Amino acid sequence: NAGVTQTPKFRILKIGQSMTLQCTQDMNHNYMYWYRQDPGMGLKLIYYSVGAGITDKGEVPNGYNVSRSTTEDFPLRLELAAPSQTSVYFCASSYGGQGSGNTIYFGEGSWLTVV
Amino acid sequence: AQSVAQPEDQVNVAEGNPLTVKCTYSVSGNPYLFWYVQYPNRGLQFLLKYITGDNLVKGSYGFEAEFNKSQTSFHLKKPSALVSDSALYFCAVRDGRGATNKLIFGTGTLLAVQP
Repeated sequence: NAGVTQTPKFRILKIGQSMTLQCTQDMNHNYMYWYRQDPGMGLKLIYYSVGAGITDKGEVPNGYNVSRSTTEDFPLRLELAAPSQTSVYFCASSYGGQGSGNTIYFGEGSWLTVV
Repeated sequence: AQSVAQPEDQVNVAEGNPLTVKCTYSVSGNPYLFWYVQYPNRGLQFLLKYITGDNLVKGSYGFEAEFNKSQTSFHLKKPSALVSDSALYFCAVRDGRGATNKLIFGTGTLLAVQP
């Protein structure tokens, strides 16, 4: 049982480039999330999904897109990378909504630098 | 508005001494409260949660937290700190808005345990 796996772990992008952060979970969780973590700012929710085919915006969705074609996968796409998107990105999943008391399981993070 | 505050950016404690990491919250209705720990270059790991019941909640690695409704607090405690407890600790509270009941994370408190 691998849990939540995200790739790549490190990436440097040039301004204006695009890329996709991959995330997959093998726990059959219906909920999946993408967060970004900036120093002194805690975690901010970018997008989330309550099941395959359903996605919704979080607190900071601008500049990002997601899709959820399967229960297991929840990729995050950056279309036109900007320096403000330099951050650590975490994918997470839970069985049931996170606010309903269900434990969230996090991936190990993806460090992204935009130069 | 829903919010969670961790008033200390860093807590320093000597190994063997008791530790407290503070968290206060503001939500409408009954709170669901969580503590997560993040070790360097890793994702967040679940420590414990309060949903209902006994105000003293016991979690992983010998940690516990006390829910205090009158003070709207959920401080994390451990009777005897270990150097290996050094990490970043996040408090989170349920945001009751919306169908998915998303969590709001605090900004984190860095715990440094000196040998």
